[in-house]
Amino acid sequence: RKEVEQDPGPFNVPEGATVAFNCTYSNSASQSFFWYRQDCRKEPKLLMSVYSSGNEDGRFTAQLNRASQYISLLIRDSKLSDSATYLCVVTYTGGFKTIFGAGTRLFVKA
Amino acid sequence: GAVVSQHPSWVICKSGTSVKIECRSLDFQATTMFWYRQFPKQSLMLMATSNEGSKATYEQGVEKDKFLINHASLTLSTLTVTSAHPEDSSFYICSATSSGTGAETQYFGPGTRLLVL
Repeated sequence: RKEVEQDPGPFNVPEGATVAFNCTYSNSASQSFFWYRQDCRKEPKLLMSVYSSGNEDGRFTAQLNRASQYISLLIRDSKLSDSATYLCVVTYTGGFKTIFGAGTRLFVKA
Repeated sequence: GAVVSQHPSWVICKSGTSVKIECRSLDFQATTMFWYRQFPKQSLMLMATSNEGSKATYEQGVEKDKFLINHASLTLSTLTVTSAHPEDSSFYICSATSSGTGAETQYFGPGTRLLVL
């Protein structure tokens, strides 16, 4: 079993749709959680951190459930520019150990 | 946000050549740098963790004699792919953190595409 697993995708949605990505992690010692966005042939860029209380940044909402070892990302009112691969990232050992999920590809169509 | 640069952005070389990739933190001191490799349609795989002034810690399955990492200063880490072969062709990305304890947020360089013929 992979340490971090994500919905395989791809997700094909129309503009304006709401889309949700899920991610599960296997190591209960995991300490910090993030969602990164990676455009084709580019480096990953931090989208947002994920907290137990949940956090929202504009159209993006992230949730963490430590008991179920589950992370989610919700994108509302999808834009064409949201098309990318979304990576679930988990760190532990004080940040020295980072595990990336395989990513979920999102295609937003006009 | 913090800026990390990589050089070169792409390399094409013959089999057997050694290739050196530089990773620099431009506006902060990076006590820890990470080197990743990403094959097409796959996720980033951590190769090694590098702390300034000490030996890098390699992930299982990564040959330390083939992928030489040097982190000589707080702003520069280098990855040398020795005697590169076609199977080493990949997208190599570095990242850096600004905290001595291995901070939570990593800032990524733009990556280096290596093609070994």
